[in-house]
Amino acid sequence: DAGVTQSPTHLIKTRGQQVTLRCSPKSGHDTVSWYQQALGQGPQFIFQYYEEEERQRGNFPDRFSGHQFPNYSSELNVNALLLGDSALYLCASSGEWVLGEAFFGQGTRLTVV
Amino acid sequence: AQSVTQLDSQVPVFEEAPVELRCNYSSSVSVYLFWYVQYPNQGLQLLLKYLSGSTLVKGINGFEAEFNKSQTSFHLRKPSVHISDTAEYFCAVSKAAGNKLTFGGGTRVLVKP
Repeated sequence: DAGVTQSPTHLIKTRGQQVTLRCSPKSGHDTVSWYQQALGQGPQFIFQYYEEEERQRGNFPDRFSGHQFPNYSSELNVNALLLGDSALYLCASSGEWVLGEAFFGQGTRLTVV
Repeated sequence: AQSVTQLDSQVPVFEEAPVELRCNYSSSVSVYLFWYVQYPNQGLQLLLKYLSGSTLVKGINGFEAEFNKSQTSFHLRKPSVHISDTAEYFCAVSKAAGNKLTFGGGTRVLVKP
């Protein structure tokens, strides 16, 4: 089982550009959540996708958008990048509701210059 | 809304000594509680979780935590740490299985020889 995989691992973008990050959930999981972790802070919830629909959303601007595909993989898109968007972006997948456990990927380190 | 406070940002500890990481939460509803560990340049790994039942929860790598509803706390303990326990530890809550996680700011544990 490959677990949760994210790509790319590192990315450098220029302010104002757009970026797409990708996530493949753990086998058997149908729910994908995205988190932003700024340096020295805890992860902050961006949004969650289930059955290709955004089900929950955190306090992030509309510049942050996402998508879930029929195979449950997901993308996070960020438009009009700001320096403050520099962070580790974590994807988490979950499946068995009763277990209440989310499995995290290694993350994508985004640097905006 | 839920919030999580990790009272210590850094905890230095000698190898083979015990360690306790403090976590307090606030919520208007019952919550599920989690502790995650993050090693340098990696994602989050679940140490343990409290969903219901016994308030003493045992996790991986010799860690345990105790849920105290009256104190709204979920402190993490390990009786004897190893150098390999050097990492950042995050306490998190969610109001339902599969729901978004709200994280604390993290506690950095540095185990000294």
